[in-house]
Amino acid sequence: EPEVTQTPSHQVTQMGQEVILRCVPISNHLYFYWYRQILGQKVEFLVSFYNNEISEKSEIFDDQFSVERPDGSNFTLKIRSTKLEDSAMYFCASSYSGTSRHNEQFFGPGTRLTVL
Amino acid sequence: AQTVTQSQPEMSVQEAETVTLSCTYDTSESDYYLFWYKQPPSRQMILVIRQEAYKQQNATENRFSVNFQKAAKSFSLKISDSQLGDAAMYFCAYTPGTASKLTFGTGTRLQVTL
Repeated sequence: EPEVTQTPSHQVTQMGQEVILRCVPISNHLYFYWYRQILGQKVEFLVSFYNNEISEKSEIFDDQFSVERPDGSNFTLKIRSTKLEDSAMYFCASSYSGTSRHNEQFFGPGTRLTVL
Repeated sequence: AQTVTQSQPEMSVQEAETVTLSCTYDTSESDYYLFWYKQPPSRQMILVIRQEAYKQQNATENRFSVNFQKAAKSFSLKISDSQLGDAAMYFCAYTPGTASKLTFGTGTRLQVTL
């Protein structure tokens, strides 16, 4: 069964460093998402991406964040200068459609980001 | 803005018994989708069940079923014949029919006891 994959599973970085989190969505999916979950809290939407551009973003997704689909398979989230409060689990998700019955979002296993 | 509320931070059920997890939501949309996701200790998010708002029939998936009350904006999850593997955090989530982001509730931690 196809699945969303994410690398690395755990990333430790120093405050102020840049990190890139990588995701490979399900191959025939068209919509891609990033969410984050601070430990013990609910899952929060960061950004959605369709047709090579951002379709929606939350207030969390400020200028320190960017997303890219550099090739036909990868979808990346970059944090330019990490802060302590960026420590969280980051989930990538993908869906075949945004509005039809095929809009279930399938999640990857997550990347745990720890900022020291 | 859409909001999703899960008023039960923790629930406990005995193995083989039935448990119901509550979820309410607020929206002005008429067309939308509701989901229940399970998050085991591995923290992977696993889709359990979905409900389209235009469907009156409640969704079922094996031991999992929902009670969708559109007028009351309520979407509860019933787990029948609970198993030890059902122990996890359960998140209720909402997405409008015309947008794509999921709005999650704060979750309910389900314990399953012998």
